[in-house]
Amino acid sequence: NAGVTQTPKFQVLKTGQSMTLQCAQDMNHEYMSWYRQDPGMGLRLIHYSVGAGITDQGEVPNGYNVSRSTTEDFPLRLLSAAPSQTSVYFCASSWGGDYNEKLFFGSGTQLSVL
Amino acid sequence: AQTVTQSQPEMSVQEAETVTLSCTYDTSESDYYLFWYKQPPSRQMILVIRQEAYKQQNATENRFSVNFQKAAKSFSLKISDSQLGDAAMYFCAYRPTGNQFYFGTGTSLTVIP
Repeated sequence: NAGVTQTPKFQVLKTGQSMTLQCAQDMNHEYMSWYRQDPGMGLRLIHYSVGAGITDQGEVPNGYNVSRSTTEDFPLRLLSAAPSQTSVYFCASSWGGDYNEKLFFGSGTQLSVL
Repeated sequence: AQTVTQSQPEMSVQEAETVTLSCTYDTSESDYYLFWYKQPPSRQMILVIRQEAYKQQNATENRFSVNFQKAAKSFSLKISDSQLGDAAMYFCAYRPTGNQFYFGTGTSLTVIP
């Protein structure tokens, strides 16, 4: 049981480049989400999904796209990278419906945009 | 708006002593869950403890306990007999009905040998 798998662990981009952060979970979780972590700002929600085909925006969605074609996968796309998107990104998942359930986190992606 | 406030950016504690990390939240909900997560230098997010809002009894997990004051919307974490391995960033999180989690800005805990 791998849990939540995020790739890559590190990435350096140039301004204007695009890329996709991958996230997969093998726990059949309905809820999946992407957070960014910046010093002094905690974890801020970018996008989330409550099931295949259903996505919604979080607190800081601008510059990011998501889709959920399967229960297992929830990729995050940076359309045109900007230095302000330099951050640590976490994918997290949970069972839906019962809000007692904790979030399971991936190991994070350190992204630098030059 | 749902907000979670951790007013202590940094805290330190002597090994074997007790430390309390503060967290307050803003909500109009009556039913929700609260969590404390630990993030060591490895960056991995680890659940420390969780509390159901409808339970008056404070949650306890070994050396970790909470002081949950629902009326005051306060959810502090007490770490007893602090160990070097407790050094980490600690995040308070709030989950109302629905699926979203709201996190505080974190408290960096240093444990002094």
